[in-house]
Amino acid sequence: GAGVSQSPRYKVAKRGQDVALRCDPISGHVSLFWYQQALGQGPEFLTYFQNEAQLDKSGLPSDRFFAERPEGSVSTLKIQRTQQEDSAVYLCASSSAPTSGGDTQYFGPGTRLTVL
Amino acid sequence: GDSVTQMEGPVTLSEEAFLTINCTYTATGYPSLFWYVQYPGEGLQLLLKATKADDKGSNKGFEATYRKETTSFHLEKGSVQVSDSAVYFCALSPSGAGSYQLTFGKGTKLSVIP
Repeated sequence: GAGVSQSPRYKVAKRGQDVALRCDPISGHVSLFWYQQALGQGPEFLTYFQNEAQLDKSGLPSDRFFAERPEGSVSTLKIQRTQQEDSAVYLCASSSAPTSGGDTQYFGPGTRLTVL
Repeated sequence: GDSVTQMEGPVTLSEEAFLTINCTYTATGYPSLFWYVQYPGEGLQLLLKATKADDKGSNKGFEATYRKETTSFHLEKGSVQVSDSAVYFCALSPSGAGSYQLTFGKGTKLSVIP
């Protein structure tokens, strides 16, 4: 079956531009997560959705970052006025259950964002 | 806050060698523990997990035991193959509030040579 997909796979933006990154989770998965992975580091949590509700956005680094999941399936991570420090791989993950800690999160291939 | 520390790489082994990648964690209560693997050009995949103390997770010849007394979850494999070359990430999710939030180590790159 289809896994988590993300688009675009690569994005180059000039400093100050706005970008939008898309995530298609596994069909029927209730929970959706965004992570940011800097070069040579492990992924870091950004935000969490349960269906269309954004229950946790504590990891978003600034108010330039905004995420939505309006119909409880596809999600978009938007970064306004991009800065060089935003360069990273942005990972999306989904899981079938709500907030249980032991559940498996299934990751997409990521979007590599480079800000020039 | 919660944290995961894993041995720094890169690690280079010959085929059929024994592998250990150390992982220790800091967290309150009883977190769930995971090993994820990232093969070249692919996304993160769950390799194995353990959700309570003394549990052993295993998959594809890899195994790791949840040791509460040493706050460790070391990854082992008895005989590595070239196809095991990848980056390995240790991770935890806390018990209680925010249990969905994975905290990762920095990753350990493994290269297996024929």
